[in-house]
Amino acid sequence: EVQLVESGGGLVRPGGSLRLSCAASGFTFNNDWMNWVRQAPGKGLEWVANIKKDGSEKYYLDSVKGRFSISRDNAQNSLFLQMNSLRAEDTAVYYCARGRGWYIDSWGQGTLVIVSS
Amino acid sequence: DIVMTQSPDSLAVSLGERATINCKSSQSVFDSASNANELAWYQQKAGQPPKALIYGASTRESGVPDRFSGSGSGTDFTLTISSVQAEDVAIYYCQQYYNSPLTFGGGTKVEIK
Repeated sequence: EVQLVESGGGLVRPGGSLRLSCAASGFTFNNDWMNWVRQAPGKGLEWVANIKKDGSEKYYLDSVKGRFSISRDNAQNSLFLQMNSLRAEDTAVYYCARGRGWYIDSWGQGTLVIVSS
Repeated sequence: DIVMTQSPDSLAVSLGERATINCKSSQSVFDSASNANELAWYQQKAGQPPKALIYGASTRESGVPDRFSGSGSGTDFTLTISSVQAEDVAIYYCQQYYNSPLTFGGGTKVEIK
């Protein structure tokens, strides 16, 4: 069974930084693309970034380019999202999600990030 | 960016009745290389993460009840729940994975009348 467990969320001031982590289990991590998708309170889903199985390709939502960085550690079955220069509009639940190619088939429970002074 | 437009925003259906949700993409999401429409449907119940229902516009994920079906091609797609059950109360999202950025529709809330 695929398990994705996010951590690292919390309250941060505007302009601050946060690093999210996702521990993956139940599948061969280095075979799959991985994604971060977010959901602002009471709003819809917004894809943030994804990374190829070997880390050689990364893609980002325009509004986070230059501020967020996705990475992975295949030896530790872990996915990361480094978030810098955080803004109020980045407030959301951030989901780690597995991709079969670019199709997202499994989601974690999410971790809440609140950007507020 | 490909814009995904869902309709309606919400619908109330009696138990056992059919629910139909529409999704339109601003450009075709058909991939000729894979001969597939790169369109997925997700279900999100209150307080839970999304759950994948359908990919390739019409292929059900393992374990998804057969009352859920997807259809369409190119730019116009439909999710149908043939006989709505109480446990189907949720928000449903379509999403294209044809190109980056991956984009979602705004969601359709399904309630019981």
